[in-house]
Amino acid sequence: GNSVTQMEGPVTLSEEAFLTINCTYTATGYPSLFWYVQYPGEGLQLLLKATKADDKGSNKGFEATYRKETTSFHLEKGSVQVSDSAVYFCARGGTSYGKLTFGQGTILTVHP
Amino acid sequence: GAGVSQSPSNKVTEKGKDVELRCDPISGHTALYWYRQSLGQGLEFLIYFQGNSAPDKSGLPSDRFSAERTGGSVSTLTIQRTQQEDSAVYLCASSLPIVNEKLFFGSGTQLSVL
Repeated sequence: GNSVTQMEGPVTLSEEAFLTINCTYTATGYPSLFWYVQYPGEGLQLLLKATKADDKGSNKGFEATYRKETTSFHLEKGSVQVSDSAVYFCARGGTSYGKLTFGQGTILTVHP
Repeated sequence: GAGVSQSPSNKVTEKGKDVELRCDPISGHTALYWYRQSLGQGLEFLIYFQGNSAPDKSGLPSDRFSAERTGGSVSTLTIQRTQQEDSAVYLCASSLPIVNEKLFFGSGTQLSVL
């Protein structure tokens, strides 16, 4: 079936550490891929997206590359900040409308 | 309003009671989605509206769940005869009717069934 699998958390890092959150997907065809973020007390918001193979989405120092060969869309950031503490969701787009299928979410905590 | 508005923000109810959750999407967004966020379950899709029609209701977990949308705007999610397993955060999102368009989420309704 069509699904999204995320690296299990929680993830705890020190400030300025390197971050990777793994995400793999199964799908028919080549869906768009997204990372959404949920900061404490706020609603989900789009962090970045990629719409076709080899595309790289980037925002706020975060990056993710659409890898068709490995069906992956791993999220990376070279140097995390305390303000990056949040829940991160990987998601796969639909083909005929905007329905998203989400992964389980990964809780990230960054300590000073 | 500027964003997606959901009400109430918190709802505590007794098992067996009916509840209604409301979503006000961003003006002009004809696509509207309901999701449920449970501990350990991530975000589950419930239903999709395009205008007042619901072409995809595949995520509604049982016939106790229903939703409607009027005037292409406000949507109401109704849960009848609530059960403890219905406890979750119910999220609403809206977008323009374009594939792969960004979804704008509300802050959700935290439902607790005692």
